[in-house]
Amino acid sequence: EPEVTQTPSHQVTQMGQEVILRCVPISNHLYFYWYRQILGQKVEFLVSFYNNEISEKSEIFDDQFSVERPDGSNFTLKIRSTKLEDSAMYFCASSSDRGPGNEQFFGPGTRLTVL
Amino acid sequence: AQRVTQPEKLLSVFKGAPVELKCNYSYSGSPELFWYVQYSRQRLQLLLRHISRESIKGFTADLNKGETSFHLKKPFAQEEDSAMYYCALNPGAQKLVFGQGTRLTINP
Repeated sequence: EPEVTQTPSHQVTQMGQEVILRCVPISNHLYFYWYRQILGQKVEFLVSFYNNEISEKSEIFDDQFSVERPDGSNFTLKIRSTKLEDSAMYFCASSSDRGPGNEQFFGPGTRLTVL
Repeated sequence: AQRVTQPEKLLSVFKGAPVELKCNYSYSGSPELFWYVQYSRQRLQLLLRHISRESIKGFTADLNKGETSFHLKKPFAQEEDSAMYYCALNPGAQKLVFGQGTRLTINP
């Protein structure tokens, strides 16, 4: 069964450094998402992406964040200058549609630790 | 405001006992609600969605618009039900709004 994959599984970085988190969505899916979960807190929506542009973004998704689909398979989240509070689990998801009851398929997550 | 509340962070029941995981939502429109589950060392996966009115692994959830609730129920808990359960709302946009999650532990 096709799955969303994410790399790396764990990323450790110094404050102020740039990080790129990578995701490979399910191949025939058209809608892509990033969520994050700070330890002990809710899973929070960051951004959705369709047809090579951002469809919606949350207040968290400020100028430090960007997303890209550099080729036909990868979907990346870049954090330009990481802060301590960016430490979290980042989940990528994809869906084939956005209709009623549409299922989002999640990747295993990337744990980002900012020191 | 769009919000999902799961009042219980932890819930522990004995095998064979009934289970109810509570979920309340706040949304002014017509809600789409889901239950996602995360088993140990596995990814988040959809358990069920209100629009399908389905029963998955013995679990059911009924949308109660009057009480703005979407509680997850199972009449007889099994040990393999131990997991983290998240209630989520799709507020008519391309995103999910999650509750805090409830860690369900089924004791033998």
